[in-house]
Amino acid sequence: KAGVTQTPRYLIKTRGQQVTLSCSPISGHRSVSWYQQTPGQGLQFLFEYFSETQRNKGNFPGRFSGRQFSNSRSEMNVSTLELGDSALYLCASSPDSQKLFFGSGTQLSVL
Amino acid sequence: AQSVTQLGSHVSVSEGALVLLRCNYSSSVPPYLFWYVQYPNQGLQLLLKYTSAATLVKGINGFEAEFKKSETSFHLTKPSAHMSDAAEYFCAVSDGFTGGGNKLTFGTGTQLKVEL
Repeated sequence: KAGVTQTPRYLIKTRGQQVTLSCSPISGHRSVSWYQQTPGQGLQFLFEYFSETQRNKGNFPGRFSGRQFSNSRSEMNVSTLELGDSALYLCASSPDSQKLFFGSGTQLSVL
Repeated sequence: AQSVTQLGSHVSVSEGALVLLRCNYSSSVPPYLFWYVQYPNQGLQLLLKYTSAATLVKGINGFEAEFKKSETSFHLTKPSAHMSDAAEYFCAVSDGFTGGGNKLTFGTGTQLKVEL
């Protein structure tokens, strides 16, 4: 089985722009979660989608949004980028068993 | 609110020595506890998870962890360190599947260095 695929691997944006990150889960997994990893704040939960519905949400501003499609693929969007949004964004899929499988992440740099 | 505290942001051991990475948790409900490992430029890989079936949990790569409710701890151990174990290790807690989904709260991580 193919693992969790995140695209792009690296991204450079400037302040004020918006960005969309993509995640393809492992086949058969209906849950997709997103996490932000930074040196200062560590790993922080953004949100989780299950069967196209947001099931959980972390404490991030409304500039961070996501969605899940009928094939379980997920996207997250960050609007009006700030320097502090520079981070590794990790996607994880799960067969709904409390076992998360992580992708390699998208490294976002905001200049 | 749930949380985990990892004691020691950096741990250094000699190859062949015991690895002990410490994690204490705080949870108002019976927790699900996890250890993940992250190698450079990669995502996280699950080492093991505790879901109340057994207090001693065996994971991959020779790691194991023991759940101690009285100490609110879930320390990760490996009898003999290998150079390939050098990585960052994260402890995480979840309040369980029902109602909690897959939302994990992670500790700040412990960087393990293995020396010859």
